[in-house]
Amino acid sequence: NAGVTQTPKFRILKIGQSMTLQCTQDMNHNYMYWYRQDPGMGLKLIYYSVGAGITDKGEVPNGYNVSRSTTEDFPLRLELAAPSQTSVYFCASSSILRDYREQYFGPGTRLTVT
Amino acid sequence: GQQLNQSPQSMFIQEGEDVSMNCTSSSIFNTWLWYKQDPGEGPVLLIALYKAGELTSNGRLTAQFGITRKDSFLNISASIPSDVGIYFCAGRDNFNKFYFGSGTKLNVKP
Repeated sequence: NAGVTQTPKFRILKIGQSMTLQCTQDMNHNYMYWYRQDPGMGLKLIYYSVGAGITDKGEVPNGYNVSRSTTEDFPLRLELAAPSQTSVYFCASSSILRDYREQYFGPGTRLTVT
Repeated sequence: GQQLNQSPQSMFIQEGEDVSMNCTSSSIFNTWLWYKQDPGEGPVLLIALYKAGELTSNGRLTAQFGITRKDSFLNISASIPSDVGIYFCAGRDNFNKFYFGSGTKLNVKP
């Protein structure tokens, strides 16, 4: 049981490039989330999903896209990368079950846009 | 979005001292969570609280879900150097969205 896994761990992008951050969970969780964490700050929700085929915007969705074709995977797409997207990106998942509504995080992807 | 106010922002304490930090929200939550984040790592769940008034312990950590459902605190007793890190509170709303505090940075002097 690996929990939440993310790839890559580090990435440097040039302005205007695109990339996809991968996230996979093996806990059969319905809910999945993408956050960004800027230096010295808390976590801000980018997008989340309540199940396969269903996604919704969080606080800071601009510049990002997501898809959820399976329960396990929730990739985050950056189109036309900008320096403001330099951050650490965390994927998380949680269960729908009443007594197990904790949220678990992956190790993060550190992205630099130059 | 909803704002969580977490305090203090940072703490410098001596090993062996007790620590207390808290979070308040303008909205009610149905779950409060406390996480610890080490440098270069993702947040790790410490304690989850599900009912107003609930008091839960995990080793030297104790957390409570406020009666108003708008606040929570975390206490760490007899701090040790490995307690160093950033502690985050998070509240979960009825739509299963989580909102995070800005973190409390804990420094422990041996």
